[in-house]
Amino acid sequence: EPEVTQTPSHQVTQMGQEVILRCVPISNHLYFYWYRQILGQKVEFLVSFYNNEISEKSEIFDDQFSVERPDGSNFTLKIRSTKLEDSAMYFCASRKGRENQPQHFGDGTRLSIL
Amino acid sequence: AQKITQTQPGMFVQEKEAVTLDCTYDTSDQSYGLFWYKQPSSGEMIFLIYQGSYDEQNATEGRYSLNFQKARKSANLVISASQLGDSAMYFCAMRENTGNQFYFGTGTSLTVIP
Repeated sequence: EPEVTQTPSHQVTQMGQEVILRCVPISNHLYFYWYRQILGQKVEFLVSFYNNEISEKSEIFDDQFSVERPDGSNFTLKIRSTKLEDSAMYFCASRKGRENQPQHFGDGTRLSIL
Repeated sequence: AQKITQTQPGMFVQEKEAVTLDCTYDTSDQSYGLFWYKQPSSGEMIFLIYQGSYDEQNATEGRYSLNFQKARKSANLVISASQLGDSAMYFCAMRENTGNQFYFGTGTSLTVIP
């Protein structure tokens, strides 16, 4: 069964550095998402992406964050000038596009800011 | 107001017994979807079951069923014949069909006792 893949599984970065989290959504899916989950807390929506542009974003998704679909398969989340509070699990998800389809999640990237 | 409310931070159930995990939602949209996800200790998010707002019958998927009470805006997950492998966090989520974002609850931690 096709799945969403995320790399790396764990990223350790110094505060202030830039980090890029990578995702390969399921190939025939049209909607892509990034979520964040701080340890032990709820899953928080960051951004959704459709037709090569951001369709919705949350208050968390400020100028520090950006997303890109640089080619036909990858979907990346860039965090500039990382802060300690950016430490979290970051999940990528994709959805086929039919109205009632669930999102399928990747296994996540655990980001640790030192 | 919270879009999704899960009032049970932790639940215990005896193996082979049934358990109900509560979820209430808040929306003024007529068309929406409700989803349940399982997050084991390994961290991945696993889609379990979906209920559409216009579905007249409660959704079922193997040992999972969704007790959908539209007037009360509740979408409780029922797990029958609990197994040790069901021990995990369970998240209720909603997507309003006017948007792309999925809203998640704070989750319920289920522990199955042998």
